[in-house]
Amino acid sequence: AQSVTQLDSQVPVFEEAPVELRCNYSSSVSVYLFWYVQYPNQGLQLLLKYLSGSTLVESINGFEAEFNKSQTSFHLRKPSVHISDTAEYFCAVNAGNMLTFGGGTRLMVKP
Amino acid sequence: DAGVIQSPRHEVTEMGQEVTLRCKPISGHNSLFWYRQTMMRGLELLIYFNNNVPIDDSGMPEDRFSAKMPNASFSTLKIQPSEPRDSAVYFCASSPPPGTSVYNEQFFGPGTRLTVL
Repeated sequence: AQSVTQLDSQVPVFEEAPVELRCNYSSSVSVYLFWYVQYPNQGLQLLLKYLSGSTLVESINGFEAEFNKSQTSFHLRKPSVHISDTAEYFCAVNAGNMLTFGGGTRLMVKP
Repeated sequence: DAGVIQSPRHEVTEMGQEVTLRCKPISGHNSLFWYRQTMMRGLELLIYFNNNVPIDDSGMPEDRFSAKMPNASFSTLKIQPSEPRDSAVYFCASSPPPGTSVYNEQFFGPGTRLTVL
């Protein structure tokens, strides 16, 4: 069985500041890792994913996440956030065909 | 590509009534998932279909909930009778078969916001 822990339920940050959203997982098998973003009143959208290869993965809007197998982590980072990044972010792990989601982290970007 | 389509987008009903939520997955996808999202419990997987067959329904809360997938392009989630504690946003997601570049990725619909009074 897999589990995902997102340590922070809310992260307030000022615009243009850096941010890190933490994600730790546990699994007895090899996994794929995902970050999804949910903007207000919308469904979840894939932000980025790690399947294999380079442990650093990037999204088109400046987010990046690094897979750390020894620490079983997949933290999400952005060097400079925008107001438009305000959303809820979900870390997920996939073993087989099912996703296990973390509890979500609400990123609140303030002007 | 129209994405995953869900209807209705909003549903308000009274306790005891039957509610049916509908989902059309992305064409060519062979796995379909129903999730429920609430403030208290977060995002919960209710049931998962593969090739129209229910594979895991361990997340279905109780017998009042049922889900069907009569064909590859349509699924329903039914609640009968509905209760106020069923109020939530219900998401449908689909994913493609192995061999595609986006295998293991789930594509979510916009959700149905259900309010049971």
